[in-house]
Parts: sequence; C-alpha cells; structure tokens
Amino acid sequence: KQEVTQIPAALSVPEGENLVLNCSFTDSAIYNLQWFRQDPGKGLTSLLLIQSSQREQTSGRLNASLDKSSGRSTLYIAASQPGDSATYLCAVQTGANNLFFGTGTRLTVIP
Amino acid sequence: SAVISQKPSRDICQRGTSLTIQCQVDSQVTMMFWYRQQPGQSLTLIATANQGSEATYESGFVIDKFPISRPNLTFSTLTVSNMSPEDSSIYLCSVGVDGTGELFFGEGSRLTVL
Repeated sequence: KQEVTQIPAALSVPEGENLVLNCSFTDSAIYNLQWFRQDPGKGLTSLLLIQSSQREQTSGRLNASLDKSSGRSTLYIAASQPGDSATYLCAVQTGANNLFFGTGTRLTVIP
Repeated sequence: SAVISQKPSRDICQRGTSLTIQCQVDSQVTMMFWYRQQPGQSLTLIATANQGSEATYESGFVIDKFPISRPNLTFSTLTVSNMSPEDSSIYLCSVGVDGTGELFFGEGSRLTVL
C-alpha cells in the first residue's frame, strides 16, 4: 500500500525566507502528485499538479519538483509571506480513485 | 478548474441523529468523491459517488453508515447516520477534472457530535 510521508510536520520561518517542504512516497508507480494548501478548518486548495512524466511545475512563488524513481517531491516557496501560513499537503494518485495523502506540514511565517 | 459548494459549512449534532451534507459543482464532472478528515489527521477517502448507480465504498466505510446519492453530474449528498462523537470530522467533497487527474475540493463541512 502506498504510504506518503511529509517532513517536517511543522515549520516556522521569518517572513521573506525561502523554504522547502518535503514529501516522500513508497511506491513510485504513480499517475501524478498534487500539492494542496489547507487553512485551519477549511477545505483544500490545489496548488500544483505534477504528472508522472514531468519533473517540475511552477506557479508564481511556488515550484514543485518530482523525482519519481526516488519517491520524492519538494515544494519550494520563495520569499515567504505571512499569508503563506497554512498546512501543506501532498497527495499521490495511483489510480482513478486512489489518492493517498500525507499528513501535512504546518507552516507558520512570522512577520 | 471547478467551483464546489458544500452545505452546511459546520454543524453541531446530537448523538444518534443523522446529517446530510450537500455538494454542488458549477460544471458537470464525472468523478466525485467524499473524504473524511478526523481531527489532526490527513484525509481518508470514504467513497466514490457514481452517477446513476450505487457509490463505491472504501474499506472501513459502509453504505448504511454513509449513504451517498448522486442524482446528476453536478450534485451529490453524503449522509452521516446514527452519529457518535467519533464521527466528529471535516467531511470534504472532491471532484476530478476530466483529462488532467487534478482534484478540486470543497470548503468542507465540519461536524461536531456531542
């Protein structure tokens, strides 16, 4: 069974810092990997989707990379802002209905 | 993308009662899912809502406890039946955008069972 791990579980950084969130998965046979953001008590906002054939995706200050063979993905956030404070979840899709989520990294950006 | 509306956004319920959560999408979608997020946990798939047929439930979830309706390609409901405090969670509706594999989520329905 696919297992998704996110490290660290929590991270605090001062405003303006660049940071990296890590996601690892045990089975490299994935269709895609998706990064989400979740604000407290809210639903998930899709940030980036990387297909299995892709190496990275970028959106604004966010860049996600995928190394399928090693079972790893990173989410890079440039010039962090207090508004980036949230929990970031990665999820890997192994089939039409099989989406496995990590437990998330709770990010706090300190003004 | 897709815009997903869930109702209610939150509710406080008494033990033994049932609550129905609605999910409305602004466009027709083939794939629609229901997830549960227990306090401090990540998301767990409850079932896939199939239009015109019975939902497909994941291991550990049964139709009697979580009946699901999907009358058309833009709407679904999830009922949490005979609730207990262990059912206190956020319940999220999700849809798949055809051709991309990308999933979009509603804002969630936060249920507290006393």
